[in-house]
Amino acid sequence: AQRVTQPEKLLSVFKGAPVELKCNYSYSGSPELFWYVQYSRQRLQLLLRHISRESIKGFTADLNKGETSFHLKKPFAQEEDSAMYYCALSGTGGGNKLTFGTGTQLKVEL
Amino acid sequence: DAGITQSPRHKVTETGTPVTLRCHQTENHRYMYWYRQDPGHGLRLIHYSYGVKDTDKGEVSDGYSVSRSKTEDFLLTLESATSSQTSVYFCATITPGAGNTIYFGEGSWLTVV
Repeated sequence: AQRVTQPEKLLSVFKGAPVELKCNYSYSGSPELFWYVQYSRQRLQLLLRHISRESIKGFTADLNKGETSFHLKKPFAQEEDSAMYYCALSGTGGGNKLTFGTGTQLKVEL
Repeated sequence: DAGITQSPRHKVTETGTPVTLRCHQTENHRYMYWYRQDPGHGLRLIHYSYGVKDTDKGEVSDGYSVSRSKTEDFLLTLESATSSQTSVYFCATITPGAGNTIYFGEGSWLTVV
């Protein structure tokens, strides 16, 4: 079975402070991991994938297989980063299905 | 947005009535998904389709059925709506060539009273 855990429901930081949104996963094979972002009442948008190792809007995430983690980081939070963030895992089972964590609401305060 | 549109975007219905949500895509994607989003639960897969007339259950399929009679449309039906099915429903498709990235529709807000 595959599982994604996001331990924080809400993370509040001040503008300019570093951000780290935690994500841990449980999967027996080699997973594909994603971060999605959802701004208020909008569709989920792909933020980044671990395969591409790219940086989007200043966010990065590194897959740590030893710790089974895929934490999302940004060195300096901006007000526009306030949103709901979801970590997701795609396993090698049929259907290319995504399993999501419960999400973390990031609030950036001025 | 991968050419995904959902309808209706908002609906209020009474307990016990049937409800059908429609997902339409224009990109000829093979895979389509229905998720529901609820506070404290994130997104959970209801049903998915891997081709015309080929569907399978997700983790929260009870009370829901789906149909896919053509590539571009994936219908989600609540046979007899209950208050526990009040939720936001998201349709999604996958682009296998883009690292199996899933793209989402704008969501359908359903309230069962």
